[in-house]
Amino acid sequence: KQEVTQIPAALSVPEGENLVLNCSFTDSAIYNLQWFRQDPGKGLTSLLLIQSSQREQTSGRLNASLDKSSGRSTLYIAASQPGDSATYLCAVKESGSSNTGKLIFGQGTTLQVKP
Amino acid sequence: ETGVTQTPRHLVMGMTNKKSLKCEQHLGHNAMYWYKQSAKKPLELMFVYSLEERVENNSVPSRFSPECPNSSHLFLHLHTLQPEDSALYLCASSPGQFSYEQYFGPGTRLTVT
Repeated sequence: KQEVTQIPAALSVPEGENLVLNCSFTDSAIYNLQWFRQDPGKGLTSLLLIQSSQREQTSGRLNASLDKSSGRSTLYIAASQPGDSATYLCAVKESGSSNTGKLIFGQGTTLQVKP
Repeated sequence: ETGVTQTPRHLVMGMTNKKSLKCEQHLGHNAMYWYKQSAKKPLELMFVYSLEERVENNSVPSRFSPECPNSSHLFLHLHTLQPEDSALYLCASSPGQFSYEQYFGPGTRLTVT
């Protein structure tokens, strides 16, 4: 059974710092991995999608990497800003004939960037 | 704002009420999803529809009843709910079931009293 774990559960950093959020998954048979942002009480905003054949994706100050064989992904945020404060969720979409492409989520990392 | 809308945004209902959550996507996608987000638990999938056919029911109690009348609309009918069903219910869509990015709506915050 696929399990997704995110470490740390919470993180507080001063503005301007570069930071790394970690995501690990137990079954490497995935179609893709997606990083989301969720603001309190709101829905999810997709940040980056990495297909299983890719190693990384970049969007602005965000860079996500994927090491499928070791079951790990990292989200790197450069020059953090108070507006980056949110919960960041990692999710994998499983491959294989028995699944329906559903996303399996981690519990998230809650980030606070202090001015 | 995403191309996935959900109504209502907030709902308070008693355990004997019947209510429905609505999701609409304006993206031309073929797959739609219902997820539940409870406090202190990971987001969990409830239902998946592909081309208006239900392809996944993730062991959801029968007091939750989904309906997908066309590829743009998805409903979640609620009846005889329990207080532990209070949660944020999120709808998502994607171009197809496999390998595509999922786009989420803002969610409905449900409180069962």
